Amino acid sequence: SYELTQPPSVSVSPGQTARITCSADALPKQYAYWYQQKPGQAPVLVIYKDTERPSGIPERFSGSSSGTTVTLTISGVQAEDEADYYCQSADSSGPYHVFGTGTRVTVL
Amino acid sequence: QVQLVQSGSELKKSGASVKVSCKASGYTFTTYGINWVRHAPGQGLEWMGWINTNIGNPTYAQGFTGRFVFSLDTSVSTTYLQISSLKPEDTAVYYCARGTAFDYWGQGTLVTVSS
Repeated sequence: SYELTQPPSVSVSPGQTARITCSADALPKQYAYWYQQKPGQAPVLVIYKDTERPSGIPERFSGSSSGTTVTLTISGVQAEDEADYYCQSADSSGPYHVFGTGTRVTVL
Repeated sequence: QVQLVQSGSELKKSGASVKVSCKASGYTFTTYGINWVRHAPGQGLEWMGWINTNIGNPTYAQGFTGRFVFSLDTSVSTTYLQISSLKPEDTAVYYCARGTAFDYWGQGTLVTVSS
């Protein structure tokens, strides 16, 4: 089965840059999507199709892709960015989606 | 504006069934499929599958076959998740989410299963 691996946690000071990776275990890779989830709330889409940012999402959120790894970058981290972040992609063998293992971002 | 509104929390005993609804508004219902996602306590998000709202065809992820059924009623723009023979390990928040991008999410429905 298709798997997406993320680091369990990332810690960053306010104003610094947080980078969260999401590695796929197989080629070819489909588009990746990123979600922010705060405690007790539903996830929110912050990046779609690897690099695109939905309207209303701050510009400090950006996405990139290289090979089978995609990266979510939060530039100039703010306290409100403290949350769990998940990547999501699809298995190219069928209409099956999978979420990454999730990364907790802590703002020191 | 696009909204997905789910039914309220449920408390069930082991062996019972539960049906969670997800009502869509603000867009043409049959244009996007609806996904179901499970978030168990202390765990990550888990994709359960999706239903094609145009033809009503469900697709289930591995581990969500047999006791889990997706259905829909296009007349009220609503999709349903039914779970039968509930087990304590089914305790989770269940979300519906729109389309391939999962760009809109319901508020979540907490299903608690007691033994």
